[in-house]
Amino acid sequence: AQSVTQLGSHVSVSEGALVLLRCNYSSSVPPYLFWYVQYPNQGLQLLLKYTTGATLVKGINGFEAEFKKSETSFHLTKPSAHMSDAAEYFCAVSDRSNDYTLSFGAGTTVTVRA
Amino acid sequence: KAGVTQTPRYLIKTRGQQVTLSCSPISGHRSVSWYQQTPGQGLQFLFEYFSETQRNKGNFPGRFSGRQFSNSRSEMNVSTLELGDSALYLCASSLGQDKGYTFGSGTRLTVV
Repeated sequence: AQSVTQLGSHVSVSEGALVLLRCNYSSSVPPYLFWYVQYPNQGLQLLLKYTTGATLVKGINGFEAEFKKSETSFHLTKPSAHMSDAAEYFCAVSDRSNDYTLSFGAGTTVTVRA
Repeated sequence: KAGVTQTPRYLIKTRGQQVTLSCSPISGHRSVSWYQQTPGQGLQFLFEYFSETQRNKGNFPGRFSGRQFSNSRSEMNVSTLELGDSALYLCASSLGQDKGYTFGSGTRLTVV
């Protein structure tokens, strides 16, 4: 089964500063990779995904992530944080060896300081 | 285009009762998955259905069951509720494994 590690359960950034959320996974085969965002009392919204092709993936709301196979990482970044980015972020990996079941990281809560 | 619809949004049940949650996927999506979200355990996979067949199942007791209908709508049932079943239950639908999943807003179940 896949293992997904998100470094840091809480991240605090200033408005306008870089947002960097880290995600590492364990896999014997290249997986599909996803980032989701969850606002309070809501479901998960897909930010971006990597399946094949270009390793730098751009998503919604100015977020992007880069798949680095050698580092088994899929870190999420946004150059300039906005107050509306305050939410919980989940990295997820689709396990090709297990019928593509999604395994989630524990989540990172982002707070944005004015 | 309508998103994934889960009903009800909130439920309060008593220990020992059973509950049924409903999920209507995005039109055209044949894959429906269910997840349980709790503060302690995070997001855990319950099961996935595709074309009315359970394709995959997570590590949950047999009290948790589900089904999918011919119109792709899905229900999950939890029998003999326990306090630990209190959670946000999320349903997600997909066009394919490489497309990502679209999640509903969830059903917040509280067992008292």
